[in-house]
Amino acid sequence: AQSVTQPDIHITVSEGASLELRCNYSYGATPYLFWYVQSPGQGLQLLLKYFSGDTLVQGIKGFEAEFKRSQSSFNLRKPSVHWSDAAEYFCAVNGGSNYKLTFGKGTLLTVNP
Amino acid sequence: NAGVTQTPKFRVLKTGQSMTLLCAQDMNHEYMYWYRQDPGMGLRLIHYSVGEGTTAKGEVPDGYNVSRLKKQNFLLGLESAAPSQTSVYFCASSHRDRGAGANVLTFGAGSRLTVL
Repeated sequence: AQSVTQPDIHITVSEGASLELRCNYSYGATPYLFWYVQSPGQGLQLLLKYFSGDTLVQGIKGFEAEFKRSQSSFNLRKPSVHWSDAAEYFCAVNGGSNYKLTFGKGTLLTVNP
Repeated sequence: NAGVTQTPKFRVLKTGQSMTLLCAQDMNHEYMYWYRQDPGMGLRLIHYSVGEGTTAKGEVPDGYNVSRLKKQNFLLGLESAAPSQTSVYFCASSHRDRGAGANVLTFGAGSRLTVL
């Protein structure tokens, strides 16, 4: 069965600082991996996805993520955080044999001025 | 483009009452999903549908029923609401085919349900 672990429940960074949100997945083969963002009171928006090929993927809003097969990780990064990045971030995995996503429990990002 | 529209956005029920949440998508997506979101639990799949007239159970299906009579609509029903069903419910949809469009879910804005 596929699963996702986001080890950090809540992260606080200062505006302008760099950011890395961790995601570890469990799946036997190469999965499809996603990061979604949820602003307060809103639905989820896709930030980026990894299907195959280049292990460093670029997304919207200046985010990027790197797939590391050896570590079963798909960490999300941003070089300089903006106050508008404050939101909850979800990592998700799909094993490819069906179309159901399994989500992590989310990481809440707080940005201090 | 409306995308995925959920109605109602808010609802308060008493224990034992019934209600239906409606999800409508205008992207001609084959797959539709209902998730619930609870604090510290992430999103959990309730039911999903791979096409008109077909539905399947997800992780947490108990207490819910669904129907997909039309391709663009996916209904989530609570026959006898319980306080444990207090949650935010999200509908999502996606294409069926593999490739860039597969697996990418488009979400609605959510429906907040409180059961007293």
